[in-house]
Amino acid sequence: QKEVEQNSGPLSVPEGAIASLNCTYSDRGSQSFFWYRQYSGKSPELIMFIYSNGDKEDGRFTAQLNKASQYVSLLIRDSQPSDSATYLCAVNLVTSGTYKYIFGTGTRLKVLA
Amino acid sequence: GAVVSQHPSWVICKSGTSVKIECRSLDFQATTMFWYRQFPKQSLMLMATSNEGSKATYEQGVEKDKFLINHASLTLSTLTVTSAHPEDSSFYICSARVPRGGYNEQFFGPGTRLTVL
Repeated sequence: QKEVEQNSGPLSVPEGAIASLNCTYSDRGSQSFFWYRQYSGKSPELIMFIYSNGDKEDGRFTAQLNKASQYVSLLIRDSQPSDSATYLCAVNLVTSGTYKYIFGTGTRLKVLA
Repeated sequence: GAVVSQHPSWVICKSGTSVKIECRSLDFQATTMFWYRQFPKQSLMLMATSNEGSKATYEQGVEKDKFLINHASLTLSTLTVTSAHPEDSSFYICSARVPRGGYNEQFFGPGTRLTVL
């Protein structure tokens, strides 16, 4: 089982709709969770992080974390064509004092104008 | 946010040569930096964790003698791809860890695209 799993997509949504991206992880020791957006040929940029159960909202983005079910999701409201990108879920693990980030394979989002 | 730079942004080299990539934290000190590799349409794969003043920790399957990492200062880590071959062609991205209270934030450099002919 992969440590961090995402549906590769593409996920297509019409402009103005809500895009829902999901991620599951296998290590219950995971401490914090990140969503990155990556445009083709560019490095990832941080959208949001979350480390407590529940919802966290930032503008059009809402991250949801459920540690019992080991999933984290990202909702994008009022999706725009400029949101079209690959969204990477990342998990921060700490083992023996060593910090490590494990990335999912990413979900490609297409927002249709 | 913290700024991480990489140099060069792209490089083309002949097979058998060595290439050095620099990763700098511009406005903060980074005790820990990470090196990732990303092949087309794939996710980021962690290659190694670079700690200032100590040896890097390599992930399973990554050859430490081929990918030399040096983190000699709190603002600079370097990755040297030795005796590069076409299969080493990839997008190499570094990042720096910034502790923020009870969690850690990670800032990425812009990446270096390596093409080995």
